[in-house]
Amino acid sequence: GENVEQHPSTLSVQEGDSAVIKCTYSDSASNYFPWYKQELGKRPQLIIDIRSNVGEKKDQRIAVTLNKTAKHFSLHITETQPEDSAVYFCAASRVGGGADGLTFGKGTHLIIQP
Amino acid sequence: KAGVTQTPRYLIKTRGQQVTLSCSPISGHRSVSWYQQTPGQGLQFLFEYFSETQRNKGNFPGRFSGRQFSNSRSEMNVSTLELGDSALYLCASSLWVDQPQHFGDGTRLSIL
Repeated sequence: GENVEQHPSTLSVQEGDSAVIKCTYSDSASNYFPWYKQELGKRPQLIIDIRSNVGEKKDQRIAVTLNKTAKHFSLHITETQPEDSAVYFCAASRVGGGADGLTFGKGTHLIIQP
Repeated sequence: KAGVTQTPRYLIKTRGQQVTLSCSPISGHRSVSWYQQTPGQGLQFLFEYFSETQRNKGNFPGRFSGRQFSNSRSEMNVSTLELGDSALYLCASSLWVDQPQHFGDGTRLSIL
């Protein structure tokens, strides 16, 4: 089955700086890669996703890049703000995440220092 | 539009009991997936339902089961509860099987 590795486990950045979280996956058949943000005691919230026919996707301060050859994808957050502090999870699956379920990384605790 | 609704929010059970958790998907969503979240194992896929049929199952014992009704609402059941079943159980719904999943707030299950 699929295996997703996520790094780093904790990331501390100064407010206004950029943050990058990286994930690798093992199943070359995976074609859907979402990112979720989970604040303490709250539900995971989908913030951005990318499919394997696209190399990069951007939404305001958030961007995701995908390298299918190397089987890794990354989340980039620019101009970080205090409200970006949360745990971020990457995931991978075939199809749209329904057929085989999402396989998640272990999460990155992002801390924005004022 | 209302989000994914899970009930109950909190549940306390003892070893050996069984439990049923409920999930109402976003209106119009046909696919429902269940996940277990623990500090040690993270988020793990349990199973996925579409049109009242289980389409896929994760690597969990047979004590974990589920079903989906004609209105897309779903339930999961855990029998013969063990201490290790203590976790946050999350339900996610999507419009179709190849569409993004949106999570509910979860049910926090504690086993004493």
